[in-house]
Amino acid sequence: GAGVSQSPSNKVTEKGKDVELRCDPISGHTALYWYRQSLGQGLEFLIYFQGNSAPDKSGLPSDRFSAERTGGSVSTLTIQRTQQEDSAVYLCASSRTAQETQYFGPGTRLLVL
Amino acid sequence: QKEVEQNSGPLSVPEGAIASLNCTYSDRGSQSFFWYRQYSGKSPELIMFIYSNGDKEDGRFTAQLNKASQYVSLLIRDSQPSDSATYLCAVNGLGGSQGNLIFGKGTKLSVKP
Repeated sequence: GAGVSQSPSNKVTEKGKDVELRCDPISGHTALYWYRQSLGQGLEFLIYFQGNSAPDKSGLPSDRFSAERTGGSVSTLTIQRTQQEDSAVYLCASSRTAQETQYFGPGTRLLVL
Repeated sequence: QKEVEQNSGPLSVPEGAIASLNCTYSDRGSQSFFWYRQYSGKSPELIMFIYSNGDKEDGRFTAQLNKASQYVSLLIRDSQPSDSATYLCAVNGLGGSQGNLIFGKGTKLSVKP
């Protein structure tokens, strides 16, 4: 079946602009996660959605970052007033339920000039 | 602060040898342990997961978990050049609210022909 998809695959923006990153999880997966991977660094957890529960936002680095998940499926990560340090690969993952194996999308490579 | 530690490497082994990758974690309550492989410029892909103490084998891969010592390892037998990648250890915690993974920074493995 189809895996996790993300769009756009690459995004170049200017400092101060807002960006929206999209994630389509695997059909039927109730849990959805956003991670960030900076160059040469490990994956950093950002936010986690599980079913209809309130999201776990504990990993968001600042209030410029927000995410929503509509209808329990597609998710959008929004970064407002982008900064150069926001440049990274943003990875989305989904799992059938929490604690089960997470499957990653191809990522969105964000470059803030 | 939950932490997952890995030797960054690079770990270099000759083709056909056994590669041994190690990981330690700080949260004694962690329940689930994952090994992901990440090729350069690609997203992580699951290699193995392990929940119980002891060994779990899948083809050329063996995961080993020792909860008392808080370490998990991955052995790759008959290493191939195609195994050259960064291997990420990931851990999650107790209960449904701990769905997100905590990743180590990864160990870069190089298998020399």
